[in-house]
Amino acid sequence: AQSVTQLDSQVPVFEEAPVELRCNYSSSVSVYLFWYVQYPNQGLQLLLKYLSGSTLVKGINGFEAEFNKSQTSFHLRKPSVHISDTAEYFCAVKTRGGSNYKLTFGKGTLLTVNP
Amino acid sequence: KAGVTQTPRYLIKTRGQQVTLSCSPISGHRSVSWYQQTPGQGLQFLFEYFSETQRNKGNFPGRFSGRQFSNSRSEMNVSTLELGDSALYLCASSLLAGGTDTQYFGPGTRLTVL
Repeated sequence: AQSVTQLDSQVPVFEEAPVELRCNYSSSVSVYLFWYVQYPNQGLQLLLKYLSGSTLVKGINGFEAEFNKSQTSFHLRKPSVHISDTAEYFCAVKTRGGSNYKLTFGKGTLLTVNP
Repeated sequence: KAGVTQTPRYLIKTRGQQVTLSCSPISGHRSVSWYQQTPGQGLQFLFEYFSETQRNKGNFPGRFSGRQFSNSRSEMNVSTLELGDSALYLCASSLLAGGTDTQYFGPGTRLTVL
């Protein structure tokens, strides 16, 4: 079975501090990895995705994530956060290969950036 | 370019009724996926349509169904509503099917079942 664990349900930080949102996954097959952000009363927006190639992936809004196959992790980082980064962040895993893929989301991490 | 639109934005139904939600994708996008978001279960994939064909389906009962029209607009139907169907239903569109192409999400339809 495939699963995604976001280790922190809430992460409070101060403005301009660095942040790391952790994501671990379990899958018996190769996967693609995604991070999404959801602002209040809005749909999801793709931050970044890992499909293949370099394990360090850069996304929008200054976010980046590193795929670590041995630790089955895909942690999201930002060196300096802004108030506007306050939102819920979701990690997602999709199995490779064909139309019968399996897509699983983590439970989300609420990032709160305080002044 | 207009984004993904979902109608209605809010809906209140009672148990046993059925409901139809609509999603209009970004112009040119042929793939539409549907998701259910609840506080308890989180985000769950419902199904994906591409060129009027269901390409993939999540683990939901047959009460949840969908379809896609030739203009790529999609509808999702839930029959015999249960209290647990109360959720935010999100749709997303992309150029290609398969889930790796960047998906653009609509704002969702908030369904409340009383």
